[in-house]
Amino acid sequence: KAGVTQTPRYLIKTRGQQVTLSCSPISGHRSVSWYQQTPGQGLQFLFEYFSETQRNKGNFPGRFSGRQFSNSRSEMNVSTLELGDSALYLCASSLADSSNEQFFGPGTRLTVL
Amino acid sequence: AQSVSQHNHHVILSEAASLELGCNYSYGGTVNLFWYVQYPGQHLQLLLKYFSGDPLVKGIKGFEAEFIKSKFSFNLRKPSVQWSDTAEYFCAVKSGWNAGNMLTFGGGTRLMVKP
Repeated sequence: KAGVTQTPRYLIKTRGQQVTLSCSPISGHRSVSWYQQTPGQGLQFLFEYFSETQRNKGNFPGRFSGRQFSNSRSEMNVSTLELGDSALYLCASSLADSSNEQFFGPGTRLTVL
Repeated sequence: AQSVSQHNHHVILSEAASLELGCNYSYGGTVNLFWYVQYPGQHLQLLLKYFSGDPLVKGIKGFEAEFIKSKFSFNLRKPSVQWSDTAEYFCAVKSGWNAGNMLTFGGGTRLMVKP
């Protein structure tokens, strides 16, 4: 079955712009989590959505937001981009129960100039 | 807040050498523990996980890990590494009853296996 897909794979933006990243989970998965990966900070949890509701949120400013649609697809938005937002943004999906494995997508590489 | 430490940032081994990567976490309550691997150019994928039961868990590709509650540790081991094990390894912890799928990751260990 198809894995987690993320679009776009690469993105270049300038400071002050906003960006929307998309994640399509594995079919049947209702939980979608987002992570930011940078060389300096490593992998950091952004937020998790389950059944269109945010279930958990990491320690990121309000410029980072997300949502989940009824088909479990998720988007995350970053407004007023800063240079430090340059990172690989990873999406992970899992079945409803939190005891299940999370499957990660390939990520979206965001570069902010 | 939970924190996860991986002691070795870079490890270089020759093929057939034994591997042990350290992982320690800070939260003292109920935890779920994971090791993920990221091969060059590929997605993060799960190597193994611990939820309960036998503290020695076996994963894919000959990897295993031991949960030692008293030491807050979950070290990854492999008796004999191969060149194809060259990758970055991440320890991750899910803690608390309301954590959902929120994982706290360690900083990662880059393993290079020389042929």
